[in-house]
Amino acid sequence: GENVEQHPSTLSVQEGDSAVIKCTYSDSASNYFPWYKQELGKGPQLIIDIRSNVGEKKDQRIAVTLNKTAKHFSLHITETQPEDSAVYFCAASDNNNDMRFGAGTRLTVKP
Amino acid sequence: KAGVTQTPRYLIKTRGQQVTLSCSPISGHRSVSWYQQTPGQGLQFLFEYFSETQRNKGNFPGRFSGRQFSNSRSEMNVSTLELGDSALYLCASSSRAGSTDTQYFGPGTRLTVL
Repeated sequence: GENVEQHPSTLSVQEGDSAVIKCTYSDSASNYFPWYKQELGKGPQLIIDIRSNVGEKKDQRIAVTLNKTAKHFSLHITETQPEDSAVYFCAASDNNNDMRFGAGTRLTVKP
Repeated sequence: KAGVTQTPRYLIKTRGQQVTLSCSPISGHRSVSWYQQTPGQGLQFLFEYFSETQRNKGNFPGRFSGRQFSNSRSEMNVSTLELGDSALYLCASSSRAGSTDTQYFGPGTRLTVL
C-alpha cells in the first residue's frame, strides 16, 4: 500500500522567511496530493492540493510542487507570519485506496 | 455553508465500555470518511461511507464499526474500549466517493479511555 514520508518533523523560521516541507510517496498510482494545516484543538484544514496532471500550483503565499518521476511533492510558504504556526500534513491517494498521511511537520514562525 | 460538525467534542469512557460518535457532513456531501489521530500513529483511515454503504475500510479490528443514514449523517461505534483507543476521531466529508475528492474535516471528538 501507499507509504508517505514527510520531512522535517519540526521547522522553525523567522517571520518573513520561507518554509519548505517535503513529502515522498511510494505508490505510483497516487494521483491526488492535498496539504492540510492543523491548529491546536481543531481538525485539519485543507490549504492547497494538487493532482498528478499538474506540476505546480500556487495560491497567494502558498505553493505546491509535484515531481511524479521522483515521487515527491513539496509545500512552500513564503513571507511566513506567526499565524502560519501549526502542524502541516501532506497526504497522497488514488481513487482505489484510502488517503495516506505523512507524520506531520510542526512549523513555528518566530515574530 | 455550515462545515462538518461532530458530536460530542469530548468524551471520557472506561475500558470495556462502548461509544458512539456522530458526524454531520457539509450539506450536499454524500461521502463521509472517519480517521483516528494519535501522537504515535498519526492520522489513520478507519472507513468511508457513501450513500449509506461502506465503500472502503482501513486496517482496524471489528470493534470499530460505522454506518451512514439517508441524510448522509454518519456514526461510528467502538465496542469493548481499550486504553489504546484514546485518540482524536475525525470525520471528513466530500461530495463524491473516493479519497481523491476534496475532503473537509470536522473538529474531531477527543475520546479518552480510562
